[in-house]
Amino acid sequence: NAGVTQTPKFQVLKTGQSMTLQCAQDMNHNSMYWYRQDPGMGLRLIYYSASEGTTDKGEVPNGYNVSRLNKREFSLRLESAAPSQTSVYFCASSYRGINEKLFFGSGTQLSVL
Amino acid sequence: AQSVTQLGSHVSVSEGALVLLRCNYSSSVPPYLFWYVQYPNQGLQLLLKYTSAATLVKGINGFEAEFKKSETSFHLTKPSAHMSDAAEYFCAVSINSGGGADGLTFGKGTHLIIQP
Repeated sequence: NAGVTQTPKFQVLKTGQSMTLQCAQDMNHNSMYWYRQDPGMGLRLIYYSASEGTTDKGEVPNGYNVSRLNKREFSLRLESAAPSQTSVYFCASSYRGINEKLFFGSGTQLSVL
Repeated sequence: AQSVTQLGSHVSVSEGALVLLRCNYSSSVPPYLFWYVQYPNQGLQLLLKYTSAATLVKGINGFEAEFKKSETSFHLTKPSAHMSDAAEYFCAVSINSGGGADGLTFGKGTHLIIQP
């Protein structure tokens, strides 16, 4: 019963480095999302994929790219990390859209020095 | 556009006391409303969801919330707090934006502290 699996759980980067956060779900969900969580800010949507083959920008997409590799996997890439991208990142999925229950991964804590 | 306001970034109650976490929303169309809970070092889990079927919504772990359109509120309550309820709680509102996930907005969260 894995649900939504994110890797890695922790990562430290230097400014300018790149990395990819991986996310996979085993619930046959159509929609997947990437959020970032910052203290006192709640969750803010970075990118989402309503269905396999589609991706769209959310509230805070600058500095990020995504790939919906297949129905199961949705990755988030930081091409040139900046200290402002220090945050906790959550991947989520739902069967069909935002009006249904979202299932969240356990998060990736990213620090950019 | 929709928005959510959670009153109180921190709420402290004694074990066994009533829990009340406040959420007010704004939306130009009938909304869907959610409460999510986040335990330390975990992702969010859905507590309950309002979809216009009934104004009083019962969720998991003894929580419930009442939709009050006249007050644009969706406050979360639990009659008797337990130590295991200590967590971060998020209210969220979504509108039918044609499938766009930017139609879902989370509040900033309320940290619930349970005093023994």
